Amino acid sequence: GAVVSQHPSWVICKSGTSVKIECRSLDFQATTMFWYRQFPKQSLMLMATSNEGSKATYEQGVEKDKFLINHASLTLSTLTVTSAHPEDSSFYICSAMWDRSYEQYFGPGTRLTVT
Amino acid sequence: SQQGEEDPQALSIQEGENATMNCSYKTSINNLQWYRQNSGRGLVHLILIRSNEREKHSGRLRVTLDTSKKSSSLLITASRAADTASYFCATIQGAQKLVFGQGTRLTINP
Repeated sequence: GAVVSQHPSWVICKSGTSVKIECRSLDFQATTMFWYRQFPKQSLMLMATSNEGSKATYEQGVEKDKFLINHASLTLSTLTVTSAHPEDSSFYICSAMWDRSYEQYFGPGTRLTVT
Repeated sequence: SQQGEEDPQALSIQEGENATMNCSYKTSINNLQWYRQNSGRGLVHLILIRSNEREKHSGRLRVTLDTSKKSSSLLITASRAADTASYFCATIQGAQKLVFGQGTRLTINP
């Protein structure tokens, strides 16, 4: 149990376009979902925390208008990278947890390449 | 900001040997978690150790926690090629926020 999926697994887009990444909890209801970014050979950096039905909480230094997060239901959160630039190229990973759980369940990640 | 420092950053050993990775953190914790990440993939939760525990085992994994030194170690015994991955420790800040260490890239040579 506790499976989290992401779609797409990889995407290539041109500078200036927008890309949407989906994160789904397949067999549980996720009260909270998290979005992380990971650059090559580096650790995960939390971008934002989203709770179903409310606005996401962004970490310091993360642009809200650039990284749009929508947690529309207890099983789906989306991250939209708007007006993508090459420096946005990274590995984006989501995770999900249910209420009162210490454990976050991670998706397989989405590799974004902006050309 | 990253709370955890991991040591070593990279480790290469022969199959069958034991691998030890260390993690240090800065603030008080309720628990500490270890995750594994295969190249280009998501994270897999390995083990959670609570602040009132000193040692915990899971299969070939042994985790220790020293809250007085704010450090933890992960030992993988009898390593296998499939153990090749990056290993991260993580602590929780506030109610939910996971803060990861820099990670140790482990390579098991056949």
